[in-house]
Amino acid sequence: EMQLVQSGAEVKKPGESLKISCKGSGYSFSSYWIAWVRQMPGKGLEWMGIIYPVDSETRYSPSFQGQVTISVDKSINTAYLQWSSLKASDTAMYYCAREAHALDVWGQGTTVTVSS
Amino acid sequence: SYELTQPPSVSVSPGQTARITCSGDALPKKHAYWYQQKSGQAPVVVIYEDNKRPSGIPERFSGSSSGTLATLTIGGAQVEDEADYYCYSTDSSGNHIWVFGTGTKVTVL
Repeated sequence: EMQLVQSGAEVKKPGESLKISCKGSGYSFSSYWIAWVRQMPGKGLEWMGIIYPVDSETRYSPSFQGQVTISVDKSINTAYLQWSSLKASDTAMYYCAREAHALDVWGQGTTVTVSS
Repeated sequence: SYELTQPPSVSVSPGQTARITCSGDALPKKHAYWYQQKSGQAPVVVIYEDNKRPSGIPERFSGSSSGTLATLTIGGAQVEDEADYYCYSTDSSGNHIWVFGTGTKVTVL
C-alpha cells in the first residue's frame, strides 16, 4: 500500500524552531515530487512548495519563500518541512502529498500549534 | 501571484446536480484538478487533468474546462458528497508553482 506517514502533533512557543517529517512507503519514493500544503484553522488549502527527492530540486510558493525550508533525505524516503523561528500565525495543519498525475497520496497531516 | 476563484458555497438537494466553478487566467493552457475534503480528513483527488476520474471515484463526479473556467459537476449528489471542494492548477510560468482555489462548501440537503 502506498502511503505517506507524517510525524506527530507539535506544540511550540514563538521563536522556536521545528522540523516535521513525511515518510513514504509502498512506492519508489525518489520517483515522485513531494508537496507540502498548509491549512490554517477553519481555512482553505494553501500550496507551500514541492521537492524532487532525486536531486532535491525545490520550488516554493511566493507566499512561503523564505518562511520555511523544504528538504529531503532520499536514503530514508523522508521529506521535511522546517521553520527556524515559529510565529503564532504558523499554527495550522500541514499535509504532505505525492505528486503523480495529481496529488494522489496524502499524509494524515501534522498539527502545529504555536502559542506562548 | 496567481489566483483561482471559486464560489464560497453551493447548495443542492439529494439527487440533484451540483456545479462548482473555478476561474483562472491560465486555465486555457493548464489543467485543472479537483480535491474533495471532508471534515477532519485529508483531501482526496476526484478529478485530474480537467476531466479524468481516478479509480474508486464515483461516476457522478465529472470535470470540464473551457477558456478560463473549469467546472466540477456532481450529477445526482448524495449526502456523503457534502464536503469542501478545491480546484488546483499551475500558472503559465512553467516554474512548477501550483495554487489551490479559494474552496467551495457543498451542502447536500
